[in-house]
Amino acid sequence: DAGVIQSPRHEVTEMGQEVTLRCKPISGHNSLFWYRQTMMRGLELLIYFNNNVPIDDSGMPEDRFSAKMPNASFSTLKIQPSEPRDSAVYFCASSLDSGNTIYFGEGSWLTVV
Amino acid sequence: GEDVEQSLFLSVREGDSSVINCTYTDSSSTYLYWYKQEPGAGLQLLTYIFSNMDMKQDQRLTVLLNKKDKHLSLRIADTQTGDSAIYFCAEKWGSQGNLIFGKGTKLSVKP
Repeated sequence: DAGVIQSPRHEVTEMGQEVTLRCKPISGHNSLFWYRQTMMRGLELLIYFNNNVPIDDSGMPEDRFSAKMPNASFSTLKIQPSEPRDSAVYFCASSLDSGNTIYFGEGSWLTVV
Repeated sequence: GEDVEQSLFLSVREGDSSVINCTYTDSSSTYLYWYKQEPGAGLQLLTYIFSNMDMKQDQRLTVLLNKKDKHLSLRIADTQTGDSAIYFCAEKWGSQGNLIFGKGTKLSVKP
């Protein structure tokens, strides 16, 4: 079975450029999470969706970050404009409401220079 | 507020047992989790425990939960070099399914 699929796996971009990270949750899962991992702050929840609706976006750092979930099988996290301090690993995860487990993708490793 | 604390490093010899400890603050947590992250990889769910249990065993892994002290531990028996990774403790917060993670414990296994 396919797990959570993220793309790109690695991205290096220049400061000021737009970055779009993509996620395909596990089929049938109705909750989707975006986390960011840095050395200093560890794993932080940015936003999560339930049934394609954003439930909690209090972790989104600032207006430069936006996330969408147009349908049950796709979500994007966009950073515009990107800054060096956005360099991190961005994880997407999904779960089933009635389940107890959240499954993570392999992450998108972002470097902003 | 919610907070999950772990020690940052643990070093053991191959064949010994490893015990990774975690404390959490939300007494209403329903589930507690252990994830493993190998270098350059995502988070792999190892095991989880429901808050009304005090122990769960799965092959070489034993999870102990002391709900009174809000203390969770993961014991790895017969630790192997392949167990070297960062181990994250997490608590499920509220009914919505969001997880709050500790900063992770880096386990180094020496041959």
